[in-house]
Amino acid sequence: DVKVTQSSRYLVKRTGEKVFLECVQDMDHENMFWYRQDPGLGLRLIYFSYDVKMKEKGDIPEGYSVSREKKERFSLILESASTNQTSMYLCASSLGQGQEAFFGQGTRLTVV
Amino acid sequence: GEDVEQSLFLSVREGDSSVINCTYTDSSSTYLYWYKQEPGAGLQLLTYIFSNMDMKQDQRLTVLLNKKDKHLSLRIADTQTGDSAIYFCALGNQGGKLIFGQGTELSVKP
Repeated sequence: DVKVTQSSRYLVKRTGEKVFLECVQDMDHENMFWYRQDPGLGLRLIYFSYDVKMKEKGDIPEGYSVSREKKERFSLILESASTNQTSMYLCASSLGQGQEAFFGQGTRLTVV
Repeated sequence: GEDVEQSLFLSVREGDSSVINCTYTDSSSTYLYWYKQEPGAGLQLLTYIFSNMDMKQDQRLTVLLNKKDKHLSLRIADTQTGDSAIYFCALGNQGGKLIFGQGTELSVKP
């Protein structure tokens, strides 16, 4: 079975802190994604990557950056956390273009 | 860009059929998906349909695709309390991204 693992289920951070959310997949997938999920808004794409060291902005990249140094790992970085970044963050991976995505369990981030 | 719309809530009685609807704007997607999210969990793929199909049946699940109207639906027969969850439709586009709807929260009453 494909496994996508996010490093934390719950995080509480202070405003202004630099926050790292880590995601690892074990199926050699090319594509990896970071979404945030908010009630009534569904999943919104923050960034995605289709290869090592490659990244593309999604729909809401402001305030975020990403890093993909190895194929299996995709990190989301909040350069200076703000309260409006309190959300559920979901990482996903897929084999190819438009194909099924496998999701991690999510990280619920609270910024105080 | 692509827009995918779902109603936010649906309530049914146990044993009834549930129909969750999704409309979209971009017709170039090859795959169309339904994901299920249970409370406190990530998303799990429930079923999918290729864009050249009109219908797909998988046990209690029936997916209907009307390409002319850009409408996708998921029917759950004999809905059970364990089906209570949020259901997302998603479209796989040419750029490699998955575009999700807002999610429909299905509540099943005994």
